[in-house]
Amino acid sequence: GQQLNQSPQSMFIQEGEDVSMNCTSSSIFNTWLWYKQDPGEGPVLLIALYKAGELTSNGRLTAQFGITRKDSFLNISASIPSDVGIYFCAPFYNQGGKLIFGQGTELSVKP
Amino acid sequence: DAGVTQSPTHLIKTRGQQVTLRCSPISGHKSVSWYQQVLGQGPQFIFQYYEKEERGRGNFPDRFSARQFPNYSSELNVNALLLGDSALYLCASSLGAGEQPQHFGDGTRLSIL
Repeated sequence: GQQLNQSPQSMFIQEGEDVSMNCTSSSIFNTWLWYKQDPGEGPVLLIALYKAGELTSNGRLTAQFGITRKDSFLNISASIPSDVGIYFCAPFYNQGGKLIFGQGTELSVKP
Repeated sequence: DAGVTQSPTHLIKTRGQQVTLRCSPISGHKSVSWYQQVLGQGPQFIFQYYEKEERGRGNFPDRFSARQFPNYSSELNVNALLLGDSALYLCASSLGAGEQPQHFGDGTRLSIL
């Protein structure tokens, strides 16, 4: 089966700092998605990546789809308190139409 | 525009009971997927339905079943509930079976006593 490793598991940063998190897989994927989940809510889509090497931004967020198609990273620049939450990478597995979620990166931002 | 809606938001059941969870996809979306999220973990895939047919199934026992209706809404059924079934059950919709991205509802929090 697919193995997905997301790191770091948690981060404690100061407001204004930049953040980087990544996911690596033992399998090749054609689509990588990044979601953010706040307590008591469902995951919210941040960025979708569809091509190897693709670099996509959404405001202060930037994500890249690795050339090998086995990894992806997410950067958040100039973090603010509302960035607090759990971030998930979720590559899409075509067979069976499922998203495979990483363990999540819990981000805490100190004002 | 309404996003993915799920009902109920919270549910408490006892072991051995049966439960039905409901999901309405985003308007125009024909595919619905179900995920189980245990506390502290990422969501785990249970089912995908497209055009009323099961298109994918995760590693869950036969106690879990689902169906999709002509209006593309969906129900997830779980029989013979176990304590370990306590989780947040998430529904996601997308335009088609292989289409991305999937958009999630806020889930149903199921607690088993």
